[in-house]
Amino acid sequence: EAGVTQFPSHSVIEKGQTVTLRCDPISGHDNLYWYRRVMGKEIKFLLHFVKESKQDESGMPNNRFLAERTGGTYSTLKVQPAELEDSGVYFCASSSGLFIGELFFGEGSRLTVL
Amino acid sequence: DQQVKQNSPSLSVQEGRISILNCDYTNSMFDYFLWYKKYPAEGPTFLISISSIKDKNEDGRFTVFLNKSAKHLSLHIVPSQPGDSAVYFCAAGWGMNRDDKIIFGKGTRLHILP
Repeated sequence: EAGVTQFPSHSVIEKGQTVTLRCDPISGHDNLYWYRRVMGKEIKFLLHFVKESKQDESGMPNNRFLAERTGGTYSTLKVQPAELEDSGVYFCASSSGLFIGELFFGEGSRLTVL
Repeated sequence: DQQVKQNSPSLSVQEGRISILNCDYTNSMFDYFLWYKKYPAEGPTFLISISSIKDKNEDGRFTVFLNKSAKHLSLHIVPSQPGDSAVYFCAAGWGMNRDDKIIFGKGTRLHILP
């Protein structure tokens, strides 16, 4: 069974440009999460989808970030326009909800904004 | 305002000895606590969890202890093995009936010395 996959693995863009990150969760997982880790800091919650609905988006930094999960399958996270402080590793995770707290993470998408 | 705190950025332990990783939390409403393990260039993977109504949970070489009065939990690994070298994240969540957002700490890098 395929795990959580994320694309791209690394993106380097200039300040002001746009980047779209994609996450394909494990098939059948209704819960999908986006997290971000800046070097040496905590893995910070961004938002949580249940199927196609945003359950909790309290962690989204500002309106430059837009997450979608059309059809309740894959999700995209768009940053427009990107700022220097947006650099970090963006992790996507999914879960079935059967085992409390057990999230399956992808390898992450490293974003570098120059 | 960090709700989950891991105050030791790194820890070195001799192979075969016990590794003890510590974590403190501030929110008494957390229902469950988790430990995740992360290797470089990979996403975190779930290791072990404990409900807030328990004080100990054991899984093979890994044991998690919870002290609610002190708002403290710890992960014991015994005996420590070279493959245990990784970053360990303490995490906590609430909402036992669904997978609400999970709050992570900054992580502790564990080095197992030969």
